[in-house]
Amino acid sequence: DGGITQSPKYLFRKEGQNVTLSCEQNLNHDAMYWYRQDPGQGLRLIYYSQIVNDFQKGDIAEGYSVSREKKESFPLTVTSAQKNPTAFYLCASSITDLGYTFGSGTRLTVV
Amino acid sequence: GIQVEQSPPDLILQEGANSTLRCNFSDSVNNLQWFHQNPWGQLINLFYIPSGTKQNGRLSATTVATERYSLLYISSSQTTDSGVYFCAALRSGYSTLTFGKGTMLLVSP
Repeated sequence: DGGITQSPKYLFRKEGQNVTLSCEQNLNHDAMYWYRQDPGQGLRLIYYSQIVNDFQKGDIAEGYSVSREKKESFPLTVTSAQKNPTAFYLCASSITDLGYTFGSGTRLTVV
Repeated sequence: GIQVEQSPPDLILQEGANSTLRCNFSDSVNNLQWFHQNPWGQLINLFYIPSGTKQNGRLSATTVATERYSLLYISSSQTTDSGVYFCAALRSGYSTLTFGKGTMLLVSP
């Protein structure tokens, strides 16, 4: 079955540590996205990529980094510069701007 | 960027009741989508509806692009309809969806 796989489902980060969230899709979608969701809030865009080896900052890119070396993969690194990283992170993909498909998310907690 | 506002923020229904969720957007759009987020966080695309009306079972949606709003109708609600409903819009000339803050729906037995 085609879909998007995010891992891990739960992640704990110590202060000052970098962590990487995985996002893999087998839908052959060109575009991929990372969103952050805080309790009671909508989704806010962190980064997006429309083609391999190219990506753009979203509304809240500070403290995050991404790469797009393969069409199927779009990992997100939460760096130590992100001062409030505890949140639910969602990865999505789409064919151009048509219907988005979302992964099941990663819950990141700072300990 | 585009502003997306949803109402009401919270809604409690008894099983079997009908409801209407509203989404207002501040600019012309070429993409409008409705999503349902279940209690475990999974987001499911319900409708891609930049204009017109669509129906899928007990759910239907209408977007009036000229008046910049969209409505999601839920008929004969069930407890499995509980969760958060998001509206998201893509402004003409832009590349990514902007999400509203959602409507949290609780359907009680």
